[in-house]
Amino acid sequence: NAGVTQTPKFRVLKTGQSMTLLCAQDMNHEYMYWYRQDPGMGLRLIHYSVGEGTTAKGEVPDGYNVSRLKKQNFLLGLESAAPSQTSVYFCASSYWGARSNQPQHFGDGTRLSIL
Amino acid sequence: GQQVMQIPQYQHVQEGEDFTTYCNSSTTLSNIQWYKQRPGGHPVFLIQLVKSGEVKKQKRLTFQFGEAKKNSSLHITATQTTDVGTYFCAGRQGTNAGKSTFGDGTTLTVKP
Repeated sequence: NAGVTQTPKFRVLKTGQSMTLLCAQDMNHEYMYWYRQDPGMGLRLIHYSVGEGTTAKGEVPDGYNVSRLKKQNFLLGLESAAPSQTSVYFCASSYWGARSNQPQHFGDGTRLSIL
Repeated sequence: GQQVMQIPQYQHVQEGEDFTTYCNSSTTLSNIQWYKQRPGGHPVFLIQLVKSGEVKKQKRLTFQFGEAKKNSSLHITATQTTDVGTYFCAGRQGTNAGKSTFGDGTTLTVKP
């Protein structure tokens, strides 16, 4: 059981380049999330999705776009990368919970550097 | 918006000493989760608290949810080197379905 798989694991970009980070989960989870983690700042939610075909903005959505065309995949796009987007990006997924959140399962992260 | 604050940011202890991290929310939470992230790793779910005043234990770890559901704590008794990592709380406010706000974490280092 692979859980949550993120690709790529590492990437170096030049300012202005674009790229897409892929997240795939095999647990049939309804919810999926993209976070960024910077030193000393914990996890900040970029975008999330509560189901196939739906997306919503998190705390820090500017400069990012997402798509969830299939339930198992959640894509994070950077249209024009900026040095401020250098970070570690984590994808997570969880079941739906009516009364409370369900545990989030995280991928191993993508370490992205923008020069 | 909802804010979740954790203190302390860093804690250095001698192996065998106890450790506590505190999580405080600006608003009442419907539930709170705790995660552990080992150095270079990803966050891993530890536990979820839902009820006011709830206390749960996992071996040497004790988790508490405040009576007002605005604060929580994680206490580790007799720390071991395997406890090293960053501990995060994540709180959900009201009907923010599926969305939690993470604290900035407390990084624990243990000296053998």
